[in-house]
Amino acid sequence: ETAVFQTPNYHVTQVGNEVSFNCKQTLGHDTMYWYKQDSKKLLKIMFSYNNKQLIVNETVPRRFSPQSSDKAHLNLRIKSVEPEDSAVYLCASSLPGLGGYEQYFGPGTRLTVL
Amino acid sequence: GQQVQQSPTSLVLQEGENAELQCNFSTSLNSMQWFYQRPGGSLISVFYNPSGTKQSGRLTSTTVIKERRSSLHISSSQITDSGTYLCAMEPGNMGYKLTFGTGTSLLVDP
Repeated sequence: ETAVFQTPNYHVTQVGNEVSFNCKQTLGHDTMYWYKQDSKKLLKIMFSYNNKQLIVNETVPRRFSPQSSDKAHLNLRIKSVEPEDSAVYLCASSLPGLGGYEQYFGPGTRLTVL
Repeated sequence: GQQVQQSPTSLVLQEGENAELQCNFSTSLNSMQWFYQRPGGSLISVFYNPSGTKQSGRLTSTTVIKERRSSLHISSSQITDSGTYLCAMEPGNMGYKLTFGTGTSLLVDP
C-alpha cells in the first residue's frame, strides 16, 4: 500500500515532557511536510524537507525539531511540550519543485498536553 | 493579512440541493488543492486543480489563476457530503508549502 503513515494516532502527556512523532511515506516522493491543525481547525505549515534538506521553517518555537533520516521519513520531536502544543500534527508528502505539486496527507497525530 | 479567504464559513443544505464554495487568494499562486475533512478525520484531497475546470462525479472545481480564485461546486448534495471543506494554495513566490483557508463547514440535512 502506497500512502503516508503516521504514528502514534494520539498521545497524551504532561507539560514539560518530550514527545516524538513519526512519519513515513511510500509514495516515492522527495518532499515531506509537517503541518499543525489547532483547535479552531486552522492548518499551518511548520516545516518542509526536500530530500532530507530543510527548505521551510515557518517561525516554529525552538522546542520543535524535525528529523529526516532519508527522503521517505520525517519525524517531529517536541523537546518540552507546552499546553498550546495541543493540536493535530499532520504529515504530508509530494513530488519536489516550486511549480506546485499535489500533496498527500497522513491521518495525523493528535497531541493532548495536560 | 489572511492570504486565503474562504466562503461561506458554514452552510446548511437540504439533501439534493447544490452548493458553491469559494476561495480567493491575495497573492499569486503556483497551484491549489481542495480537501475534505470529517470531524476527527484525516485530510482527503478532493481536487488538485492548478488551473481550469475539473470534475469528479458530483464535484466540480474551477480555478482561475489570473483572477486568484477557485470554486468547488457540489451538485445534488448528500448527507455523506457533510464535513469541512478546505482550500489551500502554494504561494507563487514561495513553494514547498500550502497556505490553507479557514474552511467551510457543510451540513446536509435529510
